[in-house]
This record gives sequence, structure tokens and C-alpha cells, in this order.
Amino acid sequence: GENVEQHPSTLSVQEGDSAVIKCTYSDSASNYFPWYKQELGKRPQLIIDIRSNVGEKKDQRIAVTLNKTAKHFSLHITETQPEDSAVYFCAASRAYKYIFGTGTRLKVLA
Amino acid sequence: DAGVIQSPRHEVTEMGQEVTLRCKPISGHNSLFWYRQTMMRGLELLIYFNNNVPIDDSGMPEDRFSAKMPNASFSTLKIQPSEPRDSAVYFCASSRDGGNTEAFFGQGTRLTVV
Repeated sequence: GENVEQHPSTLSVQEGDSAVIKCTYSDSASNYFPWYKQELGKRPQLIIDIRSNVGEKKDQRIAVTLNKTAKHFSLHITETQPEDSAVYFCAASRAYKYIFGTGTRLKVLA
Repeated sequence: DAGVIQSPRHEVTEMGQEVTLRCKPISGHNSLFWYRQTMMRGLELLIYFNNNVPIDDSGMPEDRFSAKMPNASFSTLKIQPSEPRDSAVYFCASSRDGGNTEAFFGQGTRLTVV
């Protein structure tokens, strides 16, 4: 069935370093790939998204890359800051259905 | 717009009781989702409504779970009878166009069944 694998499950980086989170999806018809950030006790909120006709998208310190052939996409955060500490979820979507990854807990150490 | 509004924020109930969770989606959004979040299973889609019609309820775990959307501005998720394993955070989300656009999540309802 449809599946999204996300790695790593936890990630600790020093403040100022970069963080990379990777996801692989199984449904080749997926065409929309959002990334959500969820702070402790709060709702998931979109931080960046990419569509299947685009290979890369950047928004300040955040970038996402998509490799449709390999069916994987990645989130890159540069110059990490303590406020980047949260759980990050990737998702792959087709039609109405978002399939979420299992999440990555990012800790930025000051 | 105030975003997706859920109530209550927290619910503690005894096993066997009926629980009703409520959601008001963002005005103009035609898609509404109910998700359950647990440490073990992550974010699971329970049911999806499009234009108030249930399209996919394959994620509803058992007959004890039911959901309705009587109009474009209101949805409920009901659990009857509730069990301890139903304890989780339940999120409602809405979007303009199914899974093709951003899903906006509500604050969630933390349900504890004792």
C-alpha cells in the first residue's frame, strides 16, 4: 500500500550547522509533497512544499529537493537555530490523501 | 479567519462513555480531514470529507468511530463506547482542494480515556 518512510527519527545538530531529513514514497502518482513542523503540544504547520513538476524549492534557510525517479525528497535546513527544534513530518499526496512520514525529532543544541 | 477551530482542547472520560469531538474548518475550504496522532502510529488519516460528503473512511478503526459533516462549517467525530486505547490527539484539518494544497490543522483535542 501507500507508504512514506522518513529518516532519521531523531537528529541532533549544533546551532549553526545544517540538518537534512529524507523521505521516500511508494506511490508514483503522488504529486504534492509538503513538510510540516510540529512544536511540542502544538499543531503541525506547513513550512515548505513542492510539487512534482519542480525539482527544488528554497525559502530562506529552508529548501526541499525532489527526485521523482527515485521517489524521494529531502528537507534541508541551513544555519540551524534553537527555535528550529521540533518534530518535522514529510508527506506525499495524491488526490485527497496525504500520507505522512513518521516524523523526525530535530534538536538544535546551543 | 481564525483558522481551523476544534473543541474541546482536552477531554478526559471514563471507558465506555461517548465522546464527541468538534471541528469548524476554514471558510471556503472544501476538504476536511480527521487525523489521529499517537507516538506509536504517528499521524493517521481517519476520514476525509469533500464538500461535506464522506469520501474515504477506510481509516476509521472500528464501528465505534463515526464522523459527520452536516454542513460546510461543522464536523464531528464521535467515539461510542470509548476505550483506553483511543487515547490520542485528534486533529481536524481543512484544505481548499483535497490533497493538492496545504492542509491547515486545528489545535487538536487531547483525549484521555481512563
